[in-house]
Amino acid sequence: EDKVVQSPLSLVVHEGDTVTLNCSYEVTNFRSLLWYKQEKKAPTFLFMLTSSGIEKKSGRLSSILDKKELFSILNITATQTGDSAVYLCAVEARAGGGADGLTFGKGTHLIIQP
Amino acid sequence: DAGVIQSPRHEVTEMGQEVTLRCKPISGHDYLFWYRQTMMRGLELLIYFNNNVPIDDSGMPEDRFSAKMPNASFSTLKIQPSEPRDSAVYFCASTLHGDTQYFGPGTRLTVL
Repeated sequence: EDKVVQSPLSLVVHEGDTVTLNCSYEVTNFRSLLWYKQEKKAPTFLFMLTSSGIEKKSGRLSSILDKKELFSILNITATQTGDSAVYLCAVEARAGGGADGLTFGKGTHLIIQP
Repeated sequence: DAGVIQSPRHEVTEMGQEVTLRCKPISGHDYLFWYRQTMMRGLELLIYFNNNVPIDDSGMPEDRFSAKMPNASFSTLKIQPSEPRDSAVYFCASTLHGDTQYFGPGTRLTVL
């Protein structure tokens, strides 16, 4: 059974701090790892990672995947109160081509204090 | 372009009643997914379709749950009869050729 474990489960930091969120996974026929941000509504897409060692970057957010050690990290620098959310990590497996459903971790609840 | 559309946004019903949740995927997307989110279990895949055909329904919790996709622009998730433990937020997501999955706003279901 595919498995995704995120840590920490919750994190409280001050505005301006840098945070690192962790995601480890076990999946058969790995296709991709995705990061989503969820505030009070639906998850919104941040990154999709398929190759090891290649950093994806968007503004103050960046993420990297290690397919040998089966983990990914999401970094947020110079955090702002608007970064407060649950960050979800998900993996997608593919058996024989096409898409597959995502297996999600429980998420990291990030709170940025002013 | 409109995103994934779900209705209703909120549903409150009594135990034993039938509940139907609706989803319209992003136009042109060929995959549609139904997920359920609870505090205890997080986000879980229930079922997904490719070109309107159900591919994997192993996440559907029991026979009370059923899903259909009669055409490329519409899907339903039905619970009959509903139970209090079905209370959750139900998300629909769609993707094109297995690229990024985009989520709808969700339906918050409360079964009393």
